[in-house]
Amino acid sequence: GQSLEQPSEVTAVEGAIVQINCTYQTSGFYGLSWYQQHDGGAPTFLSYNALDGLEETGRFSSFLSRSDSYGYLLLQELQMKDSASYFCAVRGDRAYNQGGKLIFGQGTELSVKP
Amino acid sequence: DAGVTQSPTHLIKTRGQQVTLRCSPKSGHDTVSWYQQALGQGPQFIFQYYEEEERQRGNFPDRFSGHQFPNYSSELNVNALLLGDSALYLCASSLAWGDRAYEQYFGPGTRLTVT
Repeated sequence: GQSLEQPSEVTAVEGAIVQINCTYQTSGFYGLSWYQQHDGGAPTFLSYNALDGLEETGRFSSFLSRSDSYGYLLLQELQMKDSASYFCAVRGDRAYNQGGKLIFGQGTELSVKP
Repeated sequence: DAGVTQSPTHLIKTRGQQVTLRCSPKSGHDTVSWYQQALGQGPQFIFQYYEEEERQRGNFPDRFSGHQFPNYSSELNVNALLLGDSALYLCASSLAWGDRAYEQYFGPGTRLTVT
């Protein structure tokens, strides 16, 4: 089977740093993505890792270790607006194109407190 | 530059009925994927369309079918609705090839309630 595990919820205070972990078990692996979804809204793309290491985009960073089937999303200088659900997603097939279907985790609900 | 649009935003149907959901991809995108998201869960892949053909399919029954038109817009059809089909249906568009083909842009979704 194919599965992604991430914590169901995380709480942190404004200005802090939080790390959301994701471990995956998939038959194939071509990249790990992170998406943010506010209540009732559309998921929005945050970052993508195809190779081991750290990718940084402003206050957000994402890390991947393919040998450990593990990645994380790091959010720095937390703001109230960061309260949302965060999903890791694996592209597990080498499809006809470079995109292909995404397999999503169950999501981590992040609550940022003042 | 319009993003991904979906219609309708909300829909209430009765068990056994059929429903059609619509999606227009982001300008310049040629690939459309459909996902089902139950409350409190992650999106589940239904299928993906490219060049007007279904290219990949998730673990969904044949009651779920789709179509892609020459302008890249897409429809999701669900027949013989079940209570368990109640969910948020998300459309995502992307590029088939290129440096950022891995990035999917999601629409706001259609909230389907089956009673």
